[in-house]
Amino acid sequence: EAQVTQNPRYLITVTGKKLTVTCSQNMNHEYMSWYRQDPGLGLRQIYYSMNVEVTDKGDVPEGYKVSRKEKRNFPLILESPSPNQTSLYFCASSLNPSYEQYFGPGTRLTVT
Amino acid sequence: RKEVEQDPGPFNVPEGATVAFNCTYSNSASQSFFWYRQDCRKEPKLLMSVYSSGNEDGRFTAQLNRASQYISLLIRDSKLSDSATYLCVVNNGPGRRALTFGSGTRLQVQP
Repeated sequence: EAQVTQNPRYLITVTGKKLTVTCSQNMNHEYMSWYRQDPGLGLRQIYYSMNVEVTDKGDVPEGYKVSRKEKRNFPLILESPSPNQTSLYFCASSLNPSYEQYFGPGTRLTVT
Repeated sequence: RKEVEQDPGPFNVPEGATVAFNCTYSNSASQSFFWYRQDCRKEPKLLMSVYSSGNEDGRFTAQLNRASQYISLLIRDSKLSDSATYLCVVNNGPGRRALTFGSGTRLQVQP
């Protein structure tokens, strides 16, 4: 089954404790991206990747890192999480940004 | 001004009604346009792409007006299952690979 998976689905952590949210797709897509969704602000792109070892900033990259060492995986790293990073995070993949984006189920992160 | 703007709603309509949403975008170089649907606390899913000539998929019709920089979504014969948030998405032009999402318009179809 074609899908995008994210782990964990729910995470409660404390300020400053490094965390990684994994994202994996099995569709051989080249384009992958991370979004956060906050009430009233909609989905905002954090980072995207056009292919292996090619990443670029989206609209809200501060406080986040990503890597793309393999085509299927695109982890999101929060080196020192802060409460303003409490949000719902989605990973997505597609052939390229002009095509349908396939989203993972979301990760609800709370930073206390 | 936001890059992509939508009326947040909610639009409360009875079953069977026709409802239309608009979305405006600020970048005249925008290349690709989409409507996504998002159910509460779920991931967004593509509803339809929006083509220059307009396109229809069953009860749904999408239109693009480049001169006025807006796209629209028309839903005919609304069903209870159409209740969701509808997101306008724009790919902002050559050289940019980022996507910009509107905040969404919430639709509630009532029996």
